[in-house]
Amino acid sequence: EVQLVESGGGLVQPGGSLRLSCVVSGFTFSGHWMHWVRQAPGKGLEWISRIKHDGSITMYADSVRGRFTISRDNAKNTLYLQMNGLRGEDTAVYYCTTRDWFDHWGQGSLVIVSS
Amino acid sequence: QSALTQPASVSGSPGQSITISCTGTSSDVGTYNFVTWYQHHPGKAPKFLIYEVNKRPSGVSDRFSGSKSGNTASLTISGLQAEDEADYYCCSFTTSETFVFGGGTKLTVL
Repeated sequence: EVQLVESGGGLVQPGGSLRLSCVVSGFTFSGHWMHWVRQAPGKGLEWISRIKHDGSITMYADSVRGRFTISRDNAKNTLYLQMNGLRGEDTAVYYCTTRDWFDHWGQGSLVIVSS
Repeated sequence: QSALTQPASVSGSPGQSITISCTGTSSDVGTYNFVTWYQHHPGKAPKFLIYEVNKRPSGVSDRFSGSKSGNTASLTISGLQAEDEADYYCCSFTTSETFVFGGGTKLTVL
């Protein structure tokens, strides 16, 4: 069974930083693109970033480019999202998801940006 | 990249069929057959329903089907059941090599 478990969310002040982690099991993590998707309260899903299986290519949505950094450790089957310069509009549940089909999802990690 | 356009809500009675549209542009839906659909019950992880416009992953009911014409993709749910009540999202690959979701459609089973 494929499992994705996100962690690292919480309450942070505007301008602050957080790093999310996503541990993947039951899946050939090192062989596939991985993504982060978020959902702000009362809003729809928003794709924010992806990373190639070997980490050599990363891409971002305009809303987070220059502030967020996606990375991965294939030895640990773990995906990361380093979030800097956080803003109120970054408040959301952050999901990690597999492959370009988003066929498996974690339960999400809540990030609240507020003073 | 602007979100794909979906109706905010649709409704239907048990046993009926409904269709949810997803309109993009020539920079996404119109260019690629890389359209996917997801079912999302609030508080749960989204569920993968359809990929490459009209393919169903194993385990997904054949009551769910997808199609595309031009810049618009569609999801049809036949034989509506109470448990189908959820939010539905489309998603497309784009010419910027990024992805874009639709705004989501709330399905109410009357």
